[in-house]
Amino acid sequence: AQSVTQLGSHVSVSEGALVLLRCNYSSSVPPYLFWYVQYPNQGLQLLLKYTSAATLVKGINGFEAEFKKSETSFHLTKPSAHMSDAAEYFCAVSDSFGNEKLTFGTGTRLTIIP
Amino acid sequence: DTGVSQNPRHKITKRGQNVTFRCDPISEHNRLYWYRQTLGQGPEFLTYFQNEAQLEKSRLLSDRFSAERPKGSFSTLEIQRTEQGDSAMYLCASSSNGAHTYYEQYFGPGTRLTVT
Repeated sequence: AQSVTQLGSHVSVSEGALVLLRCNYSSSVPPYLFWYVQYPNQGLQLLLKYTSAATLVKGINGFEAEFKKSETSFHLTKPSAHMSDAAEYFCAVSDSFGNEKLTFGTGTRLTIIP
Repeated sequence: DTGVSQNPRHKITKRGQNVTFRCDPISEHNRLYWYRQTLGQGPEFLTYFQNEAQLEKSRLLSDRFSAERPKGSFSTLEIQRTEQGDSAMYLCASSSNGAHTYYEQYFGPGTRLTVT
């Protein structure tokens, strides 16, 4: 069984400040990990994915995440927040053995303070 | 590539009625997924097709739910005898096993169902 825990259902940062959204996973097999962003009344857009290549993954819109097996973490960061980053962010896990179904966390709502 | 499309975008129905949603995946994608998202939660997996074969169904998918993908292209999700607990956003996603896109699921905008 796989699961994802996102610490902090709401995160607020000032424009230009560091964004850090936390994700910890549990998986009995080597995981593949994903971050998705969801804007109001829209579907999910893939920001980045980890599929056992480089542990530091760069995604779209300046986001990146680092896979840390020892900490079972896959935190999402962005050096400088922009107003357009305000959205809901979901971390998700799937297994690496062909079953692609995603198990999502409960999400973190990011608010940017002008 | 026009992305994943879903119709309708919004559906309001009375309890006990049947509803059907449609998902059109990205044209070359052979895998199609349905998820359900309730307010304040992350999406939950419902079912998955590879081409026309339904390979997995979640325990969340009660007997009132049925999904089809008859020609391996578009898919439909039907809910019979709707209940208020069925109110949610129903999301469709598709993927292919291309070398650079493996495991990337692309989501549609969703169908928001409200059962009154």
